[in-house]
Amino acid sequence: AQSVAQPEDQVNVAEGNPLTVKCTYSVSGNPYLFWYVQYPNRGLQFLLKYITGDNLVKGSYGFEAEFNKSQTSFHLKKPSALVSDSALYFCAVRDGYNQGGKLIFGQGTELSVKP
Amino acid sequence: EAGVAQSPRYKIIEKRQSVAFWCNPISGHATLYWYQQILGQGPKLLIQFQNNGVVDDSQLPKDRFSAERLKGVDSTLKIQPAKLEDSAVYLCASSLVSGGSPDTQYFGPGTRLTVL
Repeated sequence: AQSVAQPEDQVNVAEGNPLTVKCTYSVSGNPYLFWYVQYPNRGLQFLLKYITGDNLVKGSYGFEAEFNKSQTSFHLKKPSALVSDSALYFCAVRDGYNQGGKLIFGQGTELSVKP
Repeated sequence: EAGVAQSPRYKIIEKRQSVAFWCNPISGHATLYWYQQILGQGPKLLIQFQNNGVVDDSQLPKDRFSAERLKGVDSTLKIQPAKLEDSAVYLCASSLVSGGSPDTQYFGPGTRLTVL
């Protein structure tokens, strides 16, 4: 069965420091991987996705993610955090062989960036 | 380009009452999804439509939940009767296509349901 794990409920970072939000996955076929961000009382906003090709994916607002097949990971990164990056981050996976479109989400990681 | 629209944004009801949520996807998007997000958890798919046909409703509690997308555009999700455990945010998402394409899903702002 497909699954996604976000091992950290909360990540605390000082403004200007690099940030990493971790995600590991399990699928039966090739994975399609996504990161979304959720601000309070808002829906999910798409950040980036990995389908195939270069393992380093660049997305919105300066975020990037690195796909590592051997470690089944897709960690979200940003070189210099902003206070405005504080939000809830979700990793999601879709099985490439699944003919539906269902995304399986992790439980989310709360990112807090302090000035 | 307008995003996914949902209404109402908030709803408070008593248990055993009924409630309905509305979603208007991004124009031209053939696929529409309804997700349930319980506090502290990631969203979970309830039902997926491709145009006006159901692709996946395996996790929809069909004894109380129903959904339709009659003309392949707008969709409504209904709960009747509601239970306390239905308190959650109900998210609607849409994408251009589904099937073999890993199309990006775009989400609406959600409807926060509180069942008392």
